[in-house]
Amino acid sequence: TQLLEQSPQFLSIQEGENLTVYCNSSSVFSSLQWYRQEPGEGPVLLVTVVTGGEVKKLKRLTFQFGDARKDSSLHITAAQPGDTGLYLCAAGGTSYGKLTFGQGTILTVHP
Amino acid sequence: DAGVTQSPTHLIKTRGQHVTLRCSPISGHKSVSWYQQVLGQGPQFIFQYYEKEERGRGNFPDRFSARQFPNYSSELNVNALLLGDSALYLCASSLDPLVAGNTIYFGEGSWLTVV
Repeated sequence: TQLLEQSPQFLSIQEGENLTVYCNSSSVFSSLQWYRQEPGEGPVLLVTVVTGGEVKKLKRLTFQFGDARKDSSLHITAAQPGDTGLYLCAAGGTSYGKLTFGQGTILTVHP
Repeated sequence: DAGVTQSPTHLIKTRGQHVTLRCSPISGHKSVSWYQQVLGQGPQFIFQYYEKEERGRGNFPDRFSARQFPNYSSELNVNALLLGDSALYLCASSLDPLVAGNTIYFGEGSWLTVV
């Protein structure tokens, strides 16, 4: 069974600070996705990374997939209150699209 | 284009009752999967359907069942509800689950409260 460990579980920062969320596993993944979820809503896809060592940028968000495809990180630059939410990493294997999720990182950005 | 749509959005049931949750995938998507998300945790995989056949099942009891219809919509059924079944039930759809990097899109979920 694939297991994804996310850290930290909680993050409370001031507006303008930078932060990094980590997603680690002992298993190799064919792809990894990052989602953001707000209370009462479903997860919204931020990015999918497929290639080892891949780096993708989405405005102030930078996503990196480890060379060995076992880990990933999400870095947010100059966080804003609108970034507040639950960030989830999820790994997709080849079994018909089943996703295994990490436990999530709850980010709170204070104005 | 409409995203993944789920109904109902909220419902309250009593222990022992049965519930049916419904999902319509994004147009053109043939794969539907169901997840349970308990408050404070990441979603847990329940079922995956592709081309109307069950392709995967998570570690959930037989009280949970699902099916996919010819139009690719899906239902999740839960019998003999327990208090612990209270959760957000998420439906997700994707185009081709056999392709690496296949993108999975989630609906807004159905909030089930069992009292």
